[in-house]
Amino acid sequence: ETGVTQSPTHLIKTRGQQVTLRCSSQSGHNTVSWYQQALGQGPQFIFQYYREEENGRGNFPPRFSGLQFPNYSSELNVNALELDDSALYLCASSFWGGGTDTQYFGPGTRLTVL
Amino acid sequence: QQPVQSPQAVILREGEDAVINCSSSKALYSVHWYRQKHGEAPVFLMILLKGGEQKGHEKISASFNEKKQQSSLYLTASQLSYSGTYFCGTELGRGKLIFGQGTELSVKP
Repeated sequence: ETGVTQSPTHLIKTRGQQVTLRCSSQSGHNTVSWYQQALGQGPQFIFQYYREEENGRGNFPPRFSGLQFPNYSSELNVNALELDDSALYLCASSFWGGGTDTQYFGPGTRLTVL
Repeated sequence: QQPVQSPQAVILREGEDAVINCSSSKALYSVHWYRQKHGEAPVFLMILLKGGEQKGHEKISASFNEKKQQSSLYLTASQLSYSGTYFCGTELGRGKLIFGQGTELSVKP
């Protein structure tokens, strides 16, 4: 158990809808990264939040957005859902104090877009 | 930019050894190794840092060849619990991991 939690566990949406996924980071961690994992693929980096600011973004369109709150928990919002957005969404929390940080993943949210 | 892992899949008998390789076309600062079981989150195994420092918490060893931009994960005396998909991740920038396509490891009794 990493102490990273995500909600909901599963979600079914239809094309064009919007979705919000939530992540609670491990105690003592100040950074949250979000990843999208399609079936049979490795996780793909979406973006990272550090001290409530976006700290880098992968190759994802602006309809993927996020927030980090003062308690370091985070949200991932996806607007105008497309069929290809169906995937496992993972958040990973870490403590960054300089150097390389170890990321600990939550159990993920399985999103299905119909 | 995505690291390349080999082999794509491997089947072992309990007690056998395996090596999983991870190669990058870009200079590596660090390599992160994870194991993911079906339907579960990736679990951290080890970080290898430029300069030779290793950080991990399981009885798994790894190497990091900075010149060749490669890392290898060594699984010795495999157990049934080692089954899963192994991913290597390389840092694109601070904390931004780019993962390989994964190596599926099956350990049979």
